[in-house]
Amino acid sequence: SQKIEQNSEALNIQEGKTATLTCNYTNYSPAYLQWYRQDPGRGPVFLLLIRENEKEKRKERLKVTFDTTLKQSLFHITASQPADSATYLCALDPSGGSYIPTFGRGTSLIVHP
Amino acid sequence: EAGVTQFPSHSVIEKGQTVTLRCDPISGHDNLYWYRRVMGKEIKFLLHFVKESKQDESGMPNNRFLAERTGGTYSTLKVQPAELEDSGVYFCASSQDRRGNNEQFFGPGTRLTVL
Repeated sequence: SQKIEQNSEALNIQEGKTATLTCNYTNYSPAYLQWYRQDPGRGPVFLLLIRENEKEKRKERLKVTFDTTLKQSLFHITASQPADSATYLCALDPSGGSYIPTFGRGTSLIVHP
Repeated sequence: EAGVTQFPSHSVIEKGQTVTLRCDPISGHDNLYWYRRVMGKEIKFLLHFVKESKQDESGMPNNRFLAERTGGTYSTLKVQPAELEDSGVYFCASSQDRRGNNEQFFGPGTRLTVL
């Protein structure tokens, strides 16, 4: 069956360190993968999109990698800050070209000062 | 520029009652999407409008759910009659272009509780 797996356990790190979140998927062949941030009581906010032919994408302190062989994406936040604390959602295009993302359950990140 | 807004923010109703959720997308966005997150699960797609037309309603759970987007502006999602399993957070999102970057802008959600 198709699955998108994100670590359900919260990731706790110290301010200034690099946070790395993982998204694994099975039985999908996505054309792209997205990462969103969600704060309590709010809707998801789009952060980055990476396409299947891109290995890595960066935006300020964020870096996303996409390995279609391993069926995995890694999301990095460098020099993390307490304000980065939130739930991060991975979403992928389920059918290679669809415009409707399929979401994972998200991983909570807590950055301690 | 105003973002996507949703009304109400919370709704508590009894099983069998009717509830109507409203979404106002970002002005000029032709694409409007409804999603739902049931507690403990992932956000799931319900349906997609392009202007006033339903482009994809494959995620609608059953015929108790009716979505409309008259005039291609705001949208409503009506649940009639509501059941316990309809409880969750309903998100609306809009986008300018479904191709390319496909950046969807989400509203804050409506938390629906069916007792």
